[in-house]
Amino acid sequence: GESVGLHLPTLSVQEGDNSIINCAYSNSASDYFIWYKQESGKGPQFIIDIRSNMDKRQGQRVTVLLNKTVKHLSLQIAATQPGDSAVYFCAESTGFQKLVFGTGTRLLVSP
Amino acid sequence: DAGVTQSPTHLIKTRGQQVTLRCSPISGHKSVSWYQQVLGQGPQFIFQYYEKEERGRGNFPDRFSARQFPNYSSELNVNALLLGDSALYLCASPAPGRSTDTQYFGPGTRLTVL
Repeated sequence: GESVGLHLPTLSVQEGDNSIINCAYSNSASDYFIWYKQESGKGPQFIIDIRSNMDKRQGQRVTVLLNKTVKHLSLQIAATQPGDSAVYFCAESTGFQKLVFGTGTRLLVSP
Repeated sequence: DAGVTQSPTHLIKTRGQQVTLRCSPISGHKSVSWYQQVLGQGPQFIFQYYEKEERGRGNFPDRFSARQFPNYSSELNVNALLLGDSALYLCASPAPGRSTDTQYFGPGTRLTVL
């Protein structure tokens, strides 16, 4: 079946550190993945996406890595800031704009 | 341009009642998707509409229904509310200039069923 999960429910880092949030997916046929950030009381905010024909994609302070061999996705945040504190979700696209989300990882950034 | 908009922001209902939630997609897009997010979990897909036609449905009971209007706005209806329907209901649409697979979400409607 389709499922997207995360290894760590909570990640605590110090301001300025680099953060790595991991995600495992089970549907090897999925060809599109998205990372979202969700702050309390708000809708998920798009961060970065990657297609299965890529291994790495970089944005502003964020990098997504895709390892299709082990069906693993990660989000790297450089120089983490207190404003990065939120719940992060990976999502897998299964076509027709249907996304399958994991349960999320809470990132806590201490000053 | 406005992003995805939803109304109302918050809603309180009692068991057995019916509720209607509203959404407008990002301007220029004809597709709307609905998701339910129970506290502490990731969003779950409910429906996807494109040009007023249902294109996808998640694993939700028939108490959940939706429709899309000629202006591409959408309504999600839930009948015979249960306590377990309490959740954040999210609407999403693609954005101009990006893949239609990329979903942008609205702020959500927080539904509380008492």
